[in-house]
Amino acid sequence: QQQVKQSPQSLIVQKGGISIINCAYENTAFDYFPWYQQFPGKGPALLIAIRPDVSEKKEGRFTISFNKSAKQFSLHIMDSQPGDSATYFCAAAISGGYNKLIFGAGTRLAVHP
Amino acid sequence: EAQVTQNPRYLITVTGKKLTVTCSQNMNHEYMSWYRQDPGLGLRQIYYSMNVEVTDKGDVPEGYKVSRKEKRNFPLILESPSPNQTSLYFCASSFGGTGELFFGEGSRLTVL
Repeated sequence: QQQVKQSPQSLIVQKGGISIINCAYENTAFDYFPWYQQFPGKGPALLIAIRPDVSEKKEGRFTISFNKSAKQFSLHIMDSQPGDSATYFCAAAISGGYNKLIFGAGTRLAVHP
Repeated sequence: EAQVTQNPRYLITVTGKKLTVTCSQNMNHEYMSWYRQDPGLGLRQIYYSMNVEVTDKGDVPEGYKVSRKEKRNFPLILESPSPNQTSLYFCASSFGGTGELFFGEGSRLTVL
């Protein structure tokens, strides 16, 4: 039973376009929602994170949108670049157990020139 | 340079031959964890450790053992590997309850 469901599994976007990756969760106790970025041959690295007291967080071209009532959150990559091509994982955790992250299945993003 | 180091990076072994994947971090982090990454399943936690001599099971602990005798090291032990343990393994660490995990570069294990 997957507690964090991520879609799509793969995504192809043209350079300059917007990449959108969606995640849905079931456990309403989750209160920390990070996104990790993984390049081939490397370990995942924290990209951006949000807590449910805000509906949106932006860092450069990356934005997390959070919908608490729908139990959904998404990552938007504006002006996508070939260097953004990677696998993206959403995750969720419960307060006090932030290190026990539950990850989604991942989305492989390819940005074509 | 702050890092999490795993060894070996690649390993092919046979069923039943005990092996250990080492993990070391130089950031003085209390928390360390092991994940396995499989296609379509994302990252699943195997074991974690909140500090020296404190370990607990994650979501998929069967067939694995860990120990935390020193703060910097957290080895993953496969006593009798089986083909279903063929996977990409990641060690991670973090400072306290910050939630930001720092991952190693991964160890790809194949069990024949």
